[in-house]
Amino acid sequence: GQQLNQSPQSMFIQEGEDVSMNCTSSSIFNTWLWYKQDPGEGPVLLIALYKAGELTSNGRLTAQFGITRKDSFLNISASIPSDVGIYFCAGPNFGNEKLTFGTGTRLTIIP
Amino acid sequence: DSGVTQTPKHLITATGQRVTLRCSPRSGDLSVYWYQQSLDQGLQFLIQYYNGEERAKGNILERFSAQQFPDLHSELNLSSLELGDSALYFCASSVVGEAKNIQYFGAGTRLSVL
Repeated sequence: GQQLNQSPQSMFIQEGEDVSMNCTSSSIFNTWLWYKQDPGEGPVLLIALYKAGELTSNGRLTAQFGITRKDSFLNISASIPSDVGIYFCAGPNFGNEKLTFGTGTRLTIIP
Repeated sequence: DSGVTQTPKHLITATGQRVTLRCSPRSGDLSVYWYQQSLDQGLQFLIQYYNGEERAKGNILERFSAQQFPDLHSELNLSSLELGDSALYFCASSVVGEAKNIQYFGAGTRLSVL
């Protein structure tokens, strides 16, 4: 089945730093979704991407749909404490609606 | 607030028992999905219902079952519970039929099997 690999697995940064993470797939996706999960909570949708090459922003967050359709990138600028959490990429499996989730990137801000 | 409601928020039970998790989707959403998240793991798809009918199945154990009722709420039944079933269980809903498949997640039910 399809797998989504995220890197890095974890990040330790200082407040104010920019963050970059990516998600790669062994097969093509037509939609890329980026979710954030706070401890003990459900994933919350951050950005949705529908077209190869698309670049979409949501405040300090920017995500891109890779040209090959096998990868996606998420950048966070000027990180703040509330950015702490786990970031997941996800995409619907071809032909149906269920989502395959990536392995997650855990973001920690060092005081 | 995603609009998806899950109850209960926490559930503690013993091995061998049976529990029912409940999910109310967002108003207007016909499709409900169930996911399992074990400690520090990603979300694993269990099952999807659309307008009362099972639509897709993932790696769901035979001890687990689900259903979607006419009012579109859904229940996930877990039986003969084992220690390894301890996890967060999430429900999500979406408007199927749209090209843009946005799933909105509830806050989850944390199941602890002792």
